[in-house]
Amino acid sequence: DTEVTQTPKHLVMGMTNKKSLKCEQHMGHRAMYWYKQKAKKPPELMFVYSYEKLSINESVPSRFSPECPNSSLLNLHLHALQPEDSALYLCASSHVGLGTGELFFGEGSRLTVL
Amino acid sequence: AQSVTQLGSHVSVSEGALVLLRCNYSSSVPPYLFWYVQYPNQGLQLLLKYTSAATLVKGINGFEAEFKKSETSFHLTKPSAHMSDAAEYFCAVSDAVSGGGADGLTFGKGTHLIIQP
Repeated sequence: DTEVTQTPKHLVMGMTNKKSLKCEQHMGHRAMYWYKQKAKKPPELMFVYSYEKLSINESVPSRFSPECPNSSLLNLHLHALQPEDSALYLCASSHVGLGTGELFFGEGSRLTVL
Repeated sequence: AQSVTQLGSHVSVSEGALVLLRCNYSSSVPPYLFWYVQYPNQGLQLLLKYTSAATLVKGINGFEAEFKKSETSFHLTKPSAHMSDAAEYFCAVSDAVSGGGADGLTFGKGTHLIIQP
């Protein structure tokens, strides 16, 4: 299994809602990532978990809260978002300590904040 | 610090013509280099990667890229474009020191490939 699975594929939420994005991989990767991608832009790194511990937080606003319950799962909890947070949110995974840093991406969750 | 520069935010070629997408990198250590493709409303799919094993790298869908250290380049080519190649292409770099770590990749700004019928 070489897939990274993200749910939901589409999410519409109001600014007062609380929702979560989910990501799952079964490739034995011990690093998992959240990226944010705006239209016609490259992905921007938000968070990295390495061995289930948060290792990188790229100064992301606290309305985005990541969670890594185990080595296969990664969540992104959303609360009090702004319309400018509307974007494609990509999850990725990779090996740690061996390999080239190649990232395996999911299909993304398209978020619209009204 | 490492970076990649993709020349041309849009490239338009005719179906059947040569595709050439340019990528130059900057890295203080030997890099690992990647090309990813993104179709509309989808995630990123790896086309090919350079890991120092060979300078000419062949990937999926008939694409290949050549690593040229002297030119700090890793341009992507395909001999004959197909309509299905229309997509966004990203060049990315990780350095060989931390590439085995978990720092993520540094992406170029992307090149939108348009295929004219």
